[in-house]
Amino acid sequence: QKEVEQNSGPLSVPEGAIASLNCTYSDRVSQSFFWYRQYSGKSPELIMSIYSNGDKEDGRFTAQLNKASQYVSLLIRDSQPSDSATYLCAVARRGFQKLVFGTGTRLLVSP
Amino acid sequence: DAGVTQSPTHLIKTRGQQVTLRCSPKSGHDTVSWYQQALGQGPQFIFQYYEEEERQRGNFPDRFSGHQFPNYSSELNVNALLLGDSALYLCASSLGRISSYNEQFFGPGTRLTVL
Repeated sequence: QKEVEQNSGPLSVPEGAIASLNCTYSDRVSQSFFWYRQYSGKSPELIMSIYSNGDKEDGRFTAQLNKASQYVSLLIRDSQPSDSATYLCAVARRGFQKLVFGTGTRLLVSP
Repeated sequence: DAGVTQSPTHLIKTRGQQVTLRCSPKSGHDTVSWYQQALGQGPQFIFQYYEEEERQRGNFPDRFSGHQFPNYSSELNVNALLLGDSALYLCASSLGRISSYNEQFFGPGTRLTVL
């Protein structure tokens, strides 16, 4: 079992729709959860971090965390073609700084 | 506010050679982590430097070594290059205190090609 699992996609959504990206993790000690966006040929860019169960909203982005189910998700509202990228889920243990990444989900937003 | 910088941006080497990659962390950050990202994969943790020492290491062979300087910048060295070392090498900076709040910010990366 992989430590962090994501559906590789592509996830295709029309412009203006809500994109829902999902991630599960296996290490129950994990305490920090992150979403990175990576455009083709570029480096990952941090877009959301979440540490407590529930929802965290930042602009068009909402991160959701359920530690009991070991599940974290990212919702992108009003999706734009510029949101087309690979979204990487990353997890870290409390007190340790190593990030463990999933393989990423490719999102395609069509005009 | 200066972000994370890396050099060089691209590098081509042949098998058996050695390579040194460089990273300067974001202003105010004191910790540097290195990751390797193969095509189509998520980044894989190589090691992390804090207070000029390797604090944590991932599952990489001893051919991969590093260093952190007093100004917090860091180098990644890879000896005896293999074809499989071809990848995007990413440097991430963060604050070094042990905390749950562990945001890491990536530099632009160095694309290494081994022929």
